[in-house]
Amino acid sequence: EDQVTQSPEALRLQEGESSSLNCSYTVSGLRGLFWYRQDPGKGPEFLFTLYSAGEEKEKERLKATLTKKESFLHITAPKPEDSATYLCAVQGVTQGGSEKLVFGKGTKLTVNP
Amino acid sequence: ETGVTQTPRHLVMGMTNKKSLKCEQHLGHNAMYWYKQSAKKPLELMFVYSLEERVENNSVPSRFSPECPNSSHLFLHLHTLQPEDSALYLCASSQEDRVTAPLHFGNGTRLTVT
Repeated sequence: EDQVTQSPEALRLQEGESSSLNCSYTVSGLRGLFWYRQDPGKGPEFLFTLYSAGEEKEKERLKATLTKKESFLHITAPKPEDSATYLCAVQGVTQGGSEKLVFGKGTKLTVNP
Repeated sequence: ETGVTQTPRHLVMGMTNKKSLKCEQHLGHNAMYWYKQSAKKPLELMFVYSLEERVENNSVPSRFSPECPNSSHLFLHLHTLQPEDSALYLCASSQEDRVTAPLHFGNGTRLTVT
């Protein structure tokens, strides 16, 4: 069964303390891996799409990387405004040949000033 | 207005009520989605409409009934709901002819069934 697992479930950092969030997946036939940010009371906001192992993308203090089994979202010198839940989603091809998008449960990040 | 707009933001309904959720997208996309978000669970896909035609229905109970009158509007009609249906209901849109097009979400309707 296609699965997406995010860890840790929750992460508390001090402002400026860099860290990484993990998204591991078992989806076959990877088409793309997506990272979203979700603030309380809002819908998820698209951050990045990664397509193949070795690919990296950056946006401000965030950098996403991809291997054949997992993706990391690196947060460099985070600020309190980076506090949010980060969702990972993987689009793959099922055994039946159809496209399927599977979400993880998310990592809740809190950055303290 | 830009993006994806959902109304109402909050809804409290009894188990015997009938209500509808509304979604409107201003992005020129041709696919629209309903997702359910419950605490401690991944986003669950409910329905997909592509070019106003329903292309996916993920075994959702018949008390949820979607409607897509055009490519910009999507409704979710609710009737005889159960308390376990309480959740955040998210609408999303995408450009369907891009294989890995990202989803653009609205801010959701927080539904409470009493």
